[in-house]
Amino acid sequence: QSVLTQPPSVSGTPGQRVTISCTGTSSNIGAGYDVQWYQQLPGTAPKLFMHGNRYRASGVPDRISGSKSGTSASLVITGLQTEDEADYYCQSFDTSLGGVIFGGGTKLTVL
Amino acid sequence: QITLKESGPTLVKPTQTLTLTCTFSGFSLNTTGVTVGWIRQPPGKALEWLALLYWDDDKRYRPSLESRLTLAKDTSKNQVVLTMTDMDPVDTASYYCAYRPSSAFDHWGQGVLVTVSS
Repeated sequence: QSVLTQPPSVSGTPGQRVTISCTGTSSNIGAGYDVQWYQQLPGTAPKLFMHGNRYRASGVPDRISGSKSGTSASLVITGLQTEDEADYYCQSFDTSLGGVIFGGGTKLTVL
Repeated sequence: QITLKESGPTLVKPTQTLTLTCTFSGFSLNTTGVTVGWIRQPPGKALEWLALLYWDDDKRYRPSLESRLTLAKDTSKNQVVLTMTDMDPVDTASYYCAYRPSSAFDHWGQGVLVTVSS
């Protein structure tokens, strides 16, 4: 069981808006640690997608945004496209664990 | 240009020790703030952080695996070596090393799939 909780799956049709949530606790996200998001396409290594809660990695379009509030973070994708179909993982740091933590991952399906 | 590449055996037997090498270029582990991490992913499952090696040679390990993990660096060869003892079939996974200049893993290696089977 992952320290950060994500929905296992989300879906939407092209053009729609989807949100992927990442819920932590007071020892990680709530303690002020940044949240990162990684995109993983099938059969490939994860790739940094969003860092510092809301900063897009190189090449990520501005229809994608990130935010953090309290003990949670969110990744919002607007104008959904087929190329967005992938697994998404959130990541932060945990003071109790003394190390890096990942969410369980969310599979985004574009219907 | 930053690159990382993992190398090591793709098949190990239960109870054996796994040694993986991460060879990198485009950055120095002597640079303040830089870390290299190891992350694994069992087939069809989520990412799991294993270990971090800091520029000052500080090391952090996943608590549940700490007794089995060891990190070492060879700065002259730009390599970080991860050793995991007492391998078990549940350790079957793709193992990745990644460059972490701050809080994010900016660049990842392609990964190596390690299968534990007799």
